[in-house]
Amino acid sequence: EIVLTQSPDTLSLSPGERATLSCGASQSVNNKYLAWYQQRPGQTPRVLIYGASRRATGIPAKFIGSGTGTDFALTIDGLEPEDFAVYYCQQYSTSPPTFGQGTRLEVK
Amino acid sequence: QVQLVQSGAEVKKPGASVKISCTASGYTFATYVIHWVRQAPGQRLEWMGGINAGNGDTKYSEKFQGRATITRDTSASTVYMELSSLRSEDTALYYCARGPIVAAIFDYWGQGALVTVSS
Repeated sequence: EIVLTQSPDTLSLSPGERATLSCGASQSVNNKYLAWYQQRPGQTPRVLIYGASRRATGIPAKFIGSGTGTDFALTIDGLEPEDFAVYYCQQYSTSPPTFGQGTRLEVK
Repeated sequence: QVQLVQSGAEVKKPGASVKISCTASGYTFATYVIHWVRQAPGQRLEWMGGINAGNGDTKYSEKFQGRATITRDTSASTVYMELSSLRSEDTALYYCARGPIVAAIFDYWGQGALVTVSS
């Protein structure tokens, strides 16, 4: 199965700053079949990005997905208080679908 | 609006089985897949398997093949996941999640059901 490794584990930033989260895959993720999820404390995961760069319905343009092959990134522009959460990447290129360990974005 | 409502928390002894339900509303049940994803304490999200709610086809992670059984009741728009031979490592929050038939993307999630396995 494809193992996804996210970095960093924790990212400390201030509101208004830009966050860049990385997701590396143990083998190529075909067709850019990679998604990103946000999980706020006490809430269920919410899909932000699929197809590596396509925003899900209702997701604002400040969430930007990029990458191909084995290296992917999620950039969040202009951090707001509600953006501080845990973010997971997930590949659906091969079965079983797998998740990264998560990056915790916290207020500095 | 789309909703997935799961059954409540369960406490089970090692070796027992647990069956969790997930009732869908707000969309055409038969046109999506319902997946089961679990999150054990301190662990990453883990996909267990899924069922095509339309034709009933199932797919499982190799890790859970033979121990997890996913079924559906189309008349009740409900999917069930039964996990047998429980062990302490199965203590986790179990989510159902909806996805399109063509790809394992999870666009709506249930609230989660905590399963605790303890003697």
